Amino acid sequence: KAGVTQTPRYLIKTRGQQVTLSCSPISGHRSVSWYQQTPGQGLQFLFEYFSETQRNKGNFPGRFSGRQFSNSRSEMNVSTLELGDSALYLCASSPGTGGHGYTFGSGTRLTVV
Amino acid sequence: DQQVKQNSPSLSVQEGRISILNCDYTNSMFDYFLWYKKYPAEGPTFLISISSIKDKNEDGRFTVFLNKSAKHLSLHIVPSQPGDSAVYFCAASAADTTNAGKSTFGDGTTLTVKP
Repeated sequence: KAGVTQTPRYLIKTRGQQVTLSCSPISGHRSVSWYQQTPGQGLQFLFEYFSETQRNKGNFPGRFSGRQFSNSRSEMNVSTLELGDSALYLCASSPGTGGHGYTFGSGTRLTVV
Repeated sequence: DQQVKQNSPSLSVQEGRISILNCDYTNSMFDYFLWYKKYPAEGPTFLISISSIKDKNEDGRFTVFLNKSAKHLSLHIVPSQPGDSAVYFCAASAADTTNAGKSTFGDGTTLTVKP
């Protein structure tokens, strides 16, 4: 059974640009969550999508947005990149019905220069 | 306000001994707790979980204990193996729909198991 796939694995962007990250969840999983991991900050919740609807959102500025498609694949977009956006962005999927651990992808390492 | 805290950034134990990783939380709405293990350059891997209706859950060498009155949980690894060396994250979630799909993570504890 394929795991959670995130593309690309690495990305370098310059300040002011925008970026789109992709996540393909485990087949059958309807919930996709996004997290940002930076040194010293742990994993910070960005947002979660379930059946194409954003069900929950963390405390990030509006520059961070996402969406989910009918096949449960999800994309995350960051506009007007700042140096502080450099981080590992992790996507996790679950069946979405609660009481389950998440399966994480390997992440996308974004570096903003 | 950090709702999930792992106060020990690192822990070092000898192979074969017990590793105990601790986690405290402040939000009484949390009712589901999880532990993840993370190796460098990989995403976290789900390890074990516990519902608030239980005080212990065991899976092989891994046991999670929950003390709701103290808002404290711990992960015991017995016996510890060098391959257990990783960063361990504690996470908590609430079952209500407003928090659906969201887990709050601690900052992690780096476990080193020495041969």
